[in-house]
Amino acid sequence: DAGVIQSPRHEVTEMGQEVTLRCKPISGHNSLFWYRQTMMRGLELLIYFNNNVPIDDSGMPEDRFSAKMPNASFSTLKIQPSEPRDSAVYFCASSLPGQKIRNQPQHFGDGTRLSIL
Amino acid sequence: QQQVKQSPQSLIVQKGGISIINCAYENTAFDYFPWYQQFPGKGPALLIAIRPDVSEKKEGRFTISFNKSAKQFSLHIMDSQPGDSATYFCAASSPGNTDKLIFGTGTRLQVFP
Repeated sequence: DAGVIQSPRHEVTEMGQEVTLRCKPISGHNSLFWYRQTMMRGLELLIYFNNNVPIDDSGMPEDRFSAKMPNASFSTLKIQPSEPRDSAVYFCASSLPGQKIRNQPQHFGDGTRLSIL
Repeated sequence: QQQVKQSPQSLIVQKGGISIINCAYENTAFDYFPWYQQFPGKGPALLIAIRPDVSEKKEGRFTISFNKSAKQFSLHIMDSQPGDSATYFCAASSPGNTDKLIFGTGTRLQVFP
């Protein structure tokens, strides 16, 4: 089975440029998560969707960050304009919806390593 | 506000030894505590998880110990192997928001032969 697919794997761009990260969740999963990982702050949840609807975007750092999920098989995380402090590894994860009795594991992609010069 | 505190930040263990990673939480509403394992260049993957109705859960060489009164839980890796070298994250979620995991800051484990 294909896992969560992220693209690109690496992105290097100059400050001020627009950056778009892409994610294809596992088929049948209807929860999708965007995380940012840095040495200083660890793994931070930026936003998550259930059934393509944003549920919690409290982790989105600034208005420069936006995320969309136009359909069940695709999501984007956009940074505009990008800044050097946005440099990090960005992960997308998907899962079946959590339930009161049983939590569903989150399946992570291999991440996008973003460097803003 | 950091709701799940993890220690140590890094850990070096000899092959065959026991690796122990600790986490403490603040929110007493948390009722699900997973551990994720991350290899370099890969995303985290679920390793083992526990609910507070049991004090211990074991899967192979991996054991979670849970202390509800102290609001602490730990991962024990018995007979540690070089292949266990990875970063380990503890996490927690509450019943009101089962999808949202709050992660610890991670522990980098190195197992030397």
